[in-house]
Amino acid sequence: EDQVTQSPEALRLQEGESSSLNCSYTVSGLRGLFWYRQDPGKGPEFLFTLYSAGEEKEKERLKATLTKKESFLHITAPKPEDSATYLCAVRASYQKVTFGTGTKLQVIP
Amino acid sequence: DTEVTQTPKHLVMGMTNKKSLKCEQHMGHRAMYWYKQKAKKPPELMFVYSYEKLSINESVPSRFSPECPNSSLLNLHLHALQPEDSALYLCASSPDFETQYFGPGTRLLVL
Repeated sequence: EDQVTQSPEALRLQEGESSSLNCSYTVSGLRGLFWYRQDPGKGPEFLFTLYSAGEEKEKERLKATLTKKESFLHITAPKPEDSATYLCAVRASYQKVTFGTGTKLQVIP
Repeated sequence: DTEVTQTPKHLVMGMTNKKSLKCEQHMGHRAMYWYKQKAKKPPELMFVYSYEKLSINESVPSRFSPECPNSSLLNLHLHALQPEDSALYLCASSPDFETQYFGPGTRLLVL
């Protein structure tokens, strides 16, 4: 069975304090790893898709990386508006993705 | 336009009511999904439609009935729900069965 574990569950940062979120996965045949951002009471917003170990994607203050067992979402010099829950998901089988439980990020001014 | 719309935004219903949730996308995506999300939990897959046909049903109770009238529209018909069905119901679509684009969700409260 596919498993996705995210850590930490919650993270509190001062504005400008860089950090990383972790997503470790166990799947048979990864066909894609996805990062989403979700604000309270709203639908997840797509951020990145990674397909193979060594791949990196960047968007503003966010950078996602992928190894054979885990992915990291690096947040550089975060701002309060980066506060959200960040979800990781993996696709191993056709049509279905498995979500992790998310990391709730709070950035304090 | 990468927008998925959902109506209504909020819904309150009794356990004997019948209601429907609506989801629409005009991006030509071939896959559409229904998810249920409880507070502080990840989205939980309910149904997947592929080319307007139901392809995955994650053992969802029959009080939830999905319908895909055309390639742009997805409905979720609700009947005789229980209070534990209260949640955020999310619709998503995908052009390639990989990246999914989510709507804003319908917040459902069952009394």
